[in-house]
Amino acid sequence: DQQVKQNSPSLSVQEGRISILNCDYTNSMFDYFLWYKKYPAEGPTFLISISSIKDKNEDGRFTVFLNKSAKHLSLHIVPSQPGDSAVYFCAAKAVSKLTFGKGITLSVRP
Amino acid sequence: DAGVTQSPTHLIKTRGQQVTLRCSPKSGHDTVSWYQQALGQGPQFIFQYYEEEERQRGNFPDRFSGHQFPNYSSELNVNALLLGDSALYLCASSQKIREGLYNEQFFGPGTRLTVL
Repeated sequence: DQQVKQNSPSLSVQEGRISILNCDYTNSMFDYFLWYKKYPAEGPTFLISISSIKDKNEDGRFTVFLNKSAKHLSLHIVPSQPGDSAVYFCAAKAVSKLTFGKGITLSVRP
Repeated sequence: DAGVTQSPTHLIKTRGQQVTLRCSPKSGHDTVSWYQQALGQGPQFIFQYYEEEERQRGNFPDRFSGHQFPNYSSELNVNALLLGDSALYLCASSQKIREGLYNEQFFGPGTRLTVL
């Protein structure tokens, strides 16, 4: 039973354009949602989060949108840069336990 | 601040053997969580330690056990290794702010375990 789903395994975007990474969840008990970025041979690095009581959170080039009624969140990266190329994981938190999606590989073409 | 550190980096074992992985949390953090990341999957929660006790556990068999020491460092032990235990094992640390509330988790680089 996959409670956090990232249905697209990969995304390729031109440098300077917008990257939109999507995530769906099924458990209504999740109270916090997070995005992590992972490079090879490194652990996941926290990127941005959003509380379940908010619908948008912005940090520089990164914006996360939450649609609770649809149980859907998305990460927008504008403008995309080649250094953004990595695996991005969506995660949802209940108390302190994180449940992760399978991840999406973002490739930003110069 | 060294962040979260894990040892060893890589490990090769054979089926039936036992393994111990180690984790030192980020300075100021008192809670350690362990995750298993199989190839092509997201990290899966194994368990969490706080105040030297296991506080939460994911859907993993009793072959997976752990320990937290007074200095907050932690060990993950896996007995009777199976081929399917081959994965990247990630440790994450955080700080308990109050009951039910923790700050964000910082991850270590992981230990790559290969079971032959």
